[in-house]
Amino acid sequence: NAGVTQTPKFQVLKTGQSMTLQCAQDMNHEYMSWYRQDPGMGLRLIHYSVGAGITDQGEVPNGYNVSRSTTEDFPLRLLSAAPSQTSVYFCASRRTGNTEAFFGQGTRLTVV
Amino acid sequence: SQQGEEDPQALSIQEGENATMNCSYKTSINNLQWYRQNSGRGLVHLILIRSNEREKHSGRLRVTLDTSKKSSSLLITASRAADTASYFCATSTTSGTYKYIFGTGTRLKVLA
Repeated sequence: NAGVTQTPKFQVLKTGQSMTLQCAQDMNHEYMSWYRQDPGMGLRLIHYSVGAGITDQGEVPNGYNVSRSTTEDFPLRLLSAAPSQTSVYFCASRRTGNTEAFFGQGTRLTVV
Repeated sequence: SQQGEEDPQALSIQEGENATMNCSYKTSINNLQWYRQNSGRGLVHLILIRSNEREKHSGRLRVTLDTSKKSSSLLITASRAADTASYFCATSTTSGTYKYIFGTGTRLKVLA
């Protein structure tokens, strides 16, 4: 099993550009989440999904869109990148219930 | 605002000493978890404690949970240089069981 795979690992965008951060898991987990990590802020939840076709907002959803058309994939879209979205982004997945979350290795995004 | 807050923010100890870090949270929880993050990497699950449990052990790790004080502590005994990392608590609240909300983290440095 590859676990949770995020692509790309690094990305530089210009303000106003759009892009999609990819996340895929091969563990058949129902729940998937996107977090951003900024210095001194810990991890903040952007969006999450409890299954294919079902998504909801987290703590900091503005500027981001998600969709979940399959169990395996949970892409995060930035429609018009802003410097405030410079961060490290982590995708996580887990089974239902009181279970551990598995994280990808992160995408380091810089918006200039 | 974030659910969990770790204390201290940073901790430096000698190899062989014990390291204790604390997590305080705001609302009722289903479970509380601890994760480790090595520099520049994704988070790795360490231990999960349910709301009806008071103490749990895993190898050199000991976690306690006091729901009356809304706090948890993580003890790492006989620390090693390889324990150098950031440690985060995460909670699953009774009002949002699908979401894991992370705290701000404790940066632990173990000196050889």
